[in-house]
Amino acid sequence: DVKVTQSSRYLVKRTGEKVFLECVQDMDHENMFWYRQDPGLGLRLIYFSYDVKMKEKGDIPEGYSVSREKKERFSLILESASTNQTSMYLCASSFGPRWLAGGTPSTDTQYFGPGTRLTVL
Amino acid sequence: SQQGEEDPQALSIQEGENATMNCSYKTSINNLQWYRQNSGRGLVHLILIRSNEREKHSGRLRVTLDTSKKSSSLLITASRAADTASYFCAPKTSYDKVIFGPGTSLSVIP
Repeated sequence: DVKVTQSSRYLVKRTGEKVFLECVQDMDHENMFWYRQDPGLGLRLIYFSYDVKMKEKGDIPEGYSVSREKKERFSLILESASTNQTSMYLCASSFGPRWLAGGTPSTDTQYFGPGTRLTVL
Repeated sequence: SQQGEEDPQALSIQEGENATMNCSYKTSINNLQWYRQNSGRGLVHLILIRSNEREKHSGRLRVTLDTSKKSSSLLITASRAADTASYFCAPKTSYDKVIFGPGTSLSVIP
């Protein structure tokens, strides 16, 4: 089974602190993602990475940065935590797109970690 | 935005009844996926339907896709209390980037 783990289930930090959220997957997936989930807003993509040392901004990258030094690990960094970053953070991974016979692209499903509930006081 | 919009936002049914959730999206897609999230947990993939498919089954799940209407539905038959969760549709166009909607919260009452 695919396993995606996140470093903490619950985290409490103070405003202005630097926060690291770690995500590790064990399936040699090319793609990794960070989302935040807030009531009524669904999941919003913060950053994603499709290869080591590669990153792409998602829909809400402001106030966040990421690091992907190794294929299995994708870190989300809050440089200076603020109260509006209190949220549930979800990491996910997936294989990169593969091509089926006939030239049809097949994009694989995303596998999610259990989430980290971050509270910034 | 390719955000999937689920409808209804909340649904409450008795155990044994069928539950139907709908999803609408805005532009052309390669595929559409449905995910489930139990309270306070990560999302779990349920089923994927490709743009050239109209219906797909997996156990008690039935998914339909109407690309002309840009809509999909998820039917859970003979619901169980364990089906209580939030359900998200995820339409996908480009390179592995999906946009999740706010979800449908399903409560199955024993």
